[in-house]
Amino acid sequence: DIQMTQSPSSVSASVGDRVTITCRASQDIDNWLAWYQQKPGQAPKLLIHAASTLQSGFPSRISGRGSGRHFTLIINSLQPEDFATYYCQQANSFPLTFGGGTKVEIK
Amino acid sequence: EVQLVESGGGLVKTGGSLRLSCAASGFSFSNAWMNWVRQAPGKGLEWVGRIKRKSEGGTTDYAAPVKGRFAISRDDSKSILYLQMNSLKIEDAAVYYCTTSTARSHWFSFWGQGTLATVSS
Repeated sequence: DIQMTQSPSSVSASVGDRVTITCRASQDIDNWLAWYQQKPGQAPKLLIHAASTLQSGFPSRISGRGSGRHFTLIINSLQPEDFATYYCQQANSFPLTFGGGTKVEIK
Repeated sequence: EVQLVESGGGLVKTGGSLRLSCAASGFSFSNAWMNWVRQAPGKGLEWVGRIKRKSEGGTTDYAAPVKGRFAISRDDSKSILYLQMNSLKIEDAAVYYCTTSTARSHWFSFWGQGTLATVSS
């Protein structure tokens, strides 16, 4: 099974800050990576797929990079609506696996 | 508009069974790969299993913790996805989400609101 390691597990940031979340795969997954955003009491939403393609409806201050084993999610100029938990997920092979999540909290 | 509406959650004792349903609308259900993803209270996301479309055999695949106990099926005539959960354990307690994916890309484009399964001893 492919293990996905996300860091940090939580980050405190202020509105306007830049936040970077890292996701590492235990083996090469090319660009078969997705990111999800989950707010309390809600289902997750697909945020980015294919490592860097932003889903419609999300602002361009959010971006994804990486391929192979190392991926990053970057949120520039953090806004109040960005405070949430973010998960990465490898879509390269079954069983599909998620990272442990990163909670972005208000400082 | 894509809609996925789960139902069937509830309280069950260890060793018991539950059948979850997911009613789909707003897309071609018969052409979709469908998945179940779960989230234990306060924890992260865990893929449970998936079923291919009938044209690809409707085959299923499961995560190791549920293999042999859970079964996914689909009724394309009603656009409903099912998850039969047997021999339930405490660690199966979670919100269960129904999600869509495709044959080409195994990320989850759409999610239902989830249904809570609680398992007690």
